[in-house]
Amino acid sequence: EAAVTQSPRNKVTVTGGNVTLSCRQTNSHNYMYWYRQDTGHGLRLIHYSYGAGNLQIGDVPDGYKATRTTQEDFFLLLELASPSQTSLYFCASSAGHLYAEQFFGPGTRLTVL
Amino acid sequence: GDQVEQSPSALSLHEGTGSALRCNFTTTMRAVQWFRKNSRGSLINLFYLASGTKENGRLKSAFDSKERYSTLHIRDAQLEDSGTYFCAASASSGSWQLIFGSGTQLTVMP
Repeated sequence: EAAVTQSPRNKVTVTGGNVTLSCRQTNSHNYMYWYRQDTGHGLRLIHYSYGAGNLQIGDVPDGYKATRTTQEDFFLLLELASPSQTSLYFCASSAGHLYAEQFFGPGTRLTVL
Repeated sequence: GDQVEQSPSALSLHEGTGSALRCNFTTTMRAVQWFRKNSRGSLINLFYLASGTKENGRLKSAFDSKERYSTLHIRDAQLEDSGTYFCAASASSGSWQLIFGSGTQLTVMP
């Protein structure tokens, strides 16, 4: 049974649209992360959280908001989507952040037209 | 510059053969992870190493923090091994965040 799930798996929206990507983990992990992955690049960290109500900024946060509502649930929000945000988005969780192994969800493919 | 340099960027193998992927680090890393992105886009954990080597079936990984590299060896390649492989590492000092390599696109041919 998958411990990190994401929804939707695919999403198409238009420029200026409002998108919410959802992630749930059942690992009882404190840390959760949102990454984007583009062709020819490794994953890049957008936002992360170390617990409910907490949010930390990653390496590429511009244009993204996020919210951690519970230990299990972490949401990525695109309030004014742009074509440059067309990407594959991965959510991950880990027990701790210092050198901890991260476990990834299946990914969400977002297309902004 | 990039802290994680992954090579090769693309690799083609015939079924039954093997090869190695490599990640070189420009700084000392504390731990490394290897992933495979399959045809459905899912990211699969392969290995997590803080040192030494690990083996799982036809895959074997090694990590040398002092020499600043990690390898992923694939032997007896099968068609289902095709996909994009990523290494990711955590620096020993400074940011703890995972730094990803740019990936290796592996194609296994009949």
